[in-house]
Amino acid sequence: AQSVTQLGSHVSVSEGALVLLRCNYSSSVPPYLFWYVQYPNQGLQLLLKYTSAATLVKGINGFEAEFKKSETSFHLTKPSAHMSDAAEYFCAVSGIEPGGSYIPTFGRGTSLIVHP
Amino acid sequence: DTGVSQNPRHKITKRGQNVTFRCDPISEHNRLYWYRQTLGQGPEFLTYFQNEAQLEKSRLLSDRFSAERPKGSFSTLEIQRTEQGDSAMYLCATEPLRGRNTEAFFGQGTRLTVV
Repeated sequence: AQSVTQLGSHVSVSEGALVLLRCNYSSSVPPYLFWYVQYPNQGLQLLLKYTSAATLVKGINGFEAEFKKSETSFHLTKPSAHMSDAAEYFCAVSGIEPGGSYIPTFGRGTSLIVHP
Repeated sequence: DTGVSQNPRHKITKRGQNVTFRCDPISEHNRLYWYRQTLGQGPEFLTYFQNEAQLEKSRLLSDRFSAERPKGSFSTLEIQRTEQGDSAMYLCATEPLRGRNTEAFFGQGTRLTVV
């Protein structure tokens, strides 16, 4: 079985400041890891994904994440926050479940608040 | 526009009524997932299809919940005898079967309110 823990249900930053959203995973097999963003009353949009290639992954809107196997982490960062980054962010892990299925499992989410 | 279409976008129903939601996947996406999302939580997996086969349904919340994908294209999620606790956003996601270097593409969801 696999799981994801997102540390901090809310993160508040000033516009222009560094964004750091934390994600730790648990998986019995090499995982695929994802970050999604969700705006109010919308579905989820993929920001970036790790699929066992480069450990530093670059995504859309200036976000990036680093896979650290020793720390079982996949934290999301952005050097400079913009007001438009305010949204809900979800970390997800996908690996083989008992029975052979691949089922993306999501964390509880972190709400990013950006102050002017 | 992710390409996954969900209808209706909003549904208000009285407790005890049955509701059905539809998901139209991106063309040629073999895998289709249903999730439930309540306020302040992440998506909670419900069930999963690979083409028309329902490969995982043990996490459907109760026997009031059922899903179909009869021809391996669109899917429906039905909730019978709705309860107030069923109020949530229901999300559909699809992905292609080829390889593992893929991600799930989400629809905009159906928001259910049970009054």
